[in-house]
Amino acid sequence: EVQLVESGGGLVQPGGSLRLSCVTSGFSFSGHWMSWVRQAPGKGLEWVANMNQDGSDKYFLDSVKGRFFITRDNAKNSLYLQMNSLRAEDTAVYYCARFGVVISAAMDVWGQGTAVTVSS
Amino acid sequence: QSALTQPRSVSGSPGQSVTISCTGTSSDVGGYNYVSWYQQFPGKAPKLMIYDVIKRPSGVPDRFSGSKSGNTASLTISGLQAQDEADYYCCSYAVTSYVFGTGTKLTVL
Repeated sequence: EVQLVESGGGLVQPGGSLRLSCVTSGFSFSGHWMSWVRQAPGKGLEWVANMNQDGSDKYFLDSVKGRFFITRDNAKNSLYLQMNSLRAEDTAVYYCARFGVVISAAMDVWGQGTAVTVSS
Repeated sequence: QSALTQPRSVSGSPGQSVTISCTGTSSDVGGYNYVSWYQQFPGKAPKLMIYDVIKRPSGVPDRFSGSKSGNTASLTISGLQAQDEADYYCCSYAVTSYVFGTGTKLTVL
């Protein structure tokens, strides 16, 4: 069974840092682009970042550039999101999602999400 | 990276058809055939329903269909069922990024 399991969310003060993890199983992780998508409370989905198979290409939402960093460890089948200089507006559920191979421009598998709250 | 525009809500009775629009620009929806649609129930992760504008992943009922004209993509749900009541989001590739729609709440009357 294909699975994505996020962790690392929690309560953090403005200006703080948090590292999210996404452990995957059931598919060849190293063969897929991966992404992070967030959803603020009561709001819509927002793409945050994505990364190609070997980590050489990565793209970010303008509002997180320079603050968020996406990495992956193909040996551990894991994706990460390092979030620095956190702001109240970063409060959201963060989802890890897989881009397909045949379905290459859409996110075909999603994790259950991990909640991040930025507040003093 | 401005969100694509969707109607806030749509509704229909069981058995009817509804269409949800998704309007972007020539830099996203209009520029590429990479529009996808996601269904989301409260408190749950999104589920892919349509990709590459018109294609359905395995397991998605053929009651769900997609189309595009110019800068506007559409999701049509025919033979509406009670279990279709959910939030729906479009998403488009935009060169070095992806942009989601504002989301539409579908109510089955």
